[in-house]
Amino acid sequence: DVVMTQSPLSLPVTLGQPASISCRSSQSLVHSDGNTYLNWFQQRPGQSPRRLIYKVSNRDSGVPDRFSGSGSGTDFTLKISRVEAEDVGVYYCMQGTHTFTFGPGTKVDIK
Amino acid sequence: EVQLVESGGGLVQPGRSLRLSCAASGFTFDDYAMHWVRQAPGKGLEWVSGISWNSGSIGYADSVKGRFTISRDNAKNSLYLQMNSLRAEDTALYYCAKSSSLDYWGQGTLVTVSS
Repeated sequence: DVVMTQSPLSLPVTLGQPASISCRSSQSLVHSDGNTYLNWFQQRPGQSPRRLIYKVSNRDSGVPDRFSGSGSGTDFTLKISRVEAEDVGVYYCMQGTHTFTFGPGTKVDIK
Repeated sequence: EVQLVESGGGLVQPGRSLRLSCAASGFTFDDYAMHWVRQAPGKGLEWVSGISWNSGSIGYADSVKGRFTISRDNAKNSLYLQMNSLRAEDTALYYCAKSSSLDYWGQGTLVTVSS
């Protein structure tokens, strides 16, 4: 089974400053069809998860452009260019190449 | 607007059964795979099961294999999860999610397994 790890697990940030979350998989997420099925989700307090990024770097409709995804193979990153108060929550990476596995989540809050 | 509305959760004793439903609207249901994902209280997300658009491909997490059964009724735009032999560790908020990339999620239905 593919194991997903995230770091850090807790990320206190200053409003207006950048933030970065790392996600690593135990094996390559490149599918036989050539795609890499790595998604990022945001879960605000008390809400359902919301997909932010799909296939590594594609931003969902309505997602602010301060969010960006990058990476390849086994190493991936979610970046927030300037953190806003509404970004508080838990961020999960998820791989869909080998069935589905979520990372443990990274809790983002304001310093 | 895509809407996914889960129902069927509740308090159930260990060893008993429960059937969850997810009513979908706002998209062509039979064009998409569907999934169940759960979240234990205060914990992270765990994929439970998924089903292809025509029920031809089905998968389960090891933690529920042999106890849970996913199904769908495309005529009713509905997704189901039959949960048997429930255990305390199945206690969670159960979400249904659309498509193989989980692009839309419902609000969840809470399942509590306790005597």
